[in-house]
Amino acid sequence: AQSVAQPEDQVNVAEGNPLTVKCTYSVSGNPYLFWYVQYPNRGLQFLLKYITGDNLVKGSYGFEAEFNKSQTSFHLKKPSALVSDSALYFCAVRDPDSWGKLQFGAGTQVVVTP
Amino acid sequence: GAGVSQSPRYKVTKRGQDVALRCDPISGHVSLYWYRQALGQGPEFLTYFNYEAQQDKSGLPNDRFSAERPEGSISTLTIQRTEQRDSAMYRCASSLGSPGHPNNQPQHFGDGTRLSIL
Repeated sequence: AQSVAQPEDQVNVAEGNPLTVKCTYSVSGNPYLFWYVQYPNRGLQFLLKYITGDNLVKGSYGFEAEFNKSQTSFHLKKPSALVSDSALYFCAVRDPDSWGKLQFGAGTQVVVTP
Repeated sequence: GAGVSQSPRYKVTKRGQDVALRCDPISGHVSLYWYRQALGQGPEFLTYFNYEAQQDKSGLPNDRFSAERPEGSISTLTIQRTEQRDSAMYRCASSLGSPGHPNNQPQHFGDGTRLSIL
């Protein structure tokens, strides 16, 4: 069975500093990985995905993620955080046996302080 | 609008009543998904469709839950004889994709329906 883990419930960072949100995964076969962001009272917004190819994936709003097969990780990164990046971030993996099914992590709350 | 639309945004009902939640996907999106999200948790898969065909309903908790997408566009998630444990945010998503191919297209989510069972 596939799963994702987000080991940090909350990440605090000062504006302008680098932001990293951690995600590790477990899946049989090739992993298809996604990051989403959720703002209060809103739906999840797609940030980026890894399907195949370069290990560094660039996405929306200046975010990028690094796929590391040996460490089974897919950490989300942003070189310089903004206060507006404060939100709930979810990592997800596609179920290889059910093409439409995403398995989400529990989420990481990011707080960026001015 | 251009996004996934869900209605109602909020639904409060008494235990034992039936509820129907509606999802209008992005125009042209083949695939449609339903998830349930408890407070402080990530979304949990319920079911998904390609066009009008229900491809996977393995996440539906029990037979009180059902979903349909009769014309391959709008979908309805129905919960019969609601119980307090059904209270959650119900999220719909849609994506480009075609039957028979791995669906690696990103799923685009609506704002959800907050269901509260009294």
